[in-house]
Amino acid sequence: ETGVTQTPRHLVMGMTNKKSLKCEQHLGHNAMYWYKQSAKKPLELMFVYSLEERVENNSVPSRFSPECPNSSHLFLHLHTLQPEDSALYLCASSRGRYNSPLHFGNGTRLTVT
Amino acid sequence: GQNIDQPTEMTATEGAIVQINCTYQTSGFNGLFWYQQHAGEAPTFLSYNVLDGLEEKGRFSSFLSRSKGYSYLLLKELQMKDSASYLCADSTTSGTYKYIFGTGTRLKVLA
Repeated sequence: ETGVTQTPRHLVMGMTNKKSLKCEQHLGHNAMYWYKQSAKKPLELMFVYSLEERVENNSVPSRFSPECPNSSHLFLHLHTLQPEDSALYLCASSRGRYNSPLHFGNGTRLTVT
Repeated sequence: GQNIDQPTEMTATEGAIVQINCTYQTSGFNGLFWYQQHAGEAPTFLSYNVLDGLEEKGRFSSFLSRSKGYSYLLLKELQMKDSASYLCADSTTSGTYKYIFGTGTRLKVLA
């Protein structure tokens, strides 16, 4: 496989559940990102990891917990979410330079019931 | 501040030319990206501008004016498959390299 792969593609969870989103990149990039995409809103940057170190935490509620065990893998652990957290969660990677474009995965469509 | 503005929706006819504008007000500016996102799919990279002027890539061109905080994406010879959202994003160095996106412009191409 090439590019950025996210699993699962769709997830429905209750507010008391715990689940994790997984992202894997095969591009040799050294920066990985989580974005949240809601209808009629800009892509919201959640977390940035550069060389496996978290360098950005954009005031995200603690019910979202990222993990980056190595430069190819990124997780987003979810617990006690709220219905307003329902959105498309996009993982992306880049070379970590200012002129490097983001390469996105296809996203996980999350519905919190 | 960090604010990127682009129109919400545009409609154009197959074969026509359409220009999608984007204005930005960001500190630590390091370039302007355009992405295309079809419904239900991931955004894909279209273009990057860091210097003033026009960058041409086939049917798509992107323009930047740093002094005006303004960019546009120009799509020529529109095709039905160009119906998608077009996202404007800037690269900033506020803290670390990160990308701030606009809300996207949904383009509908009509036959």
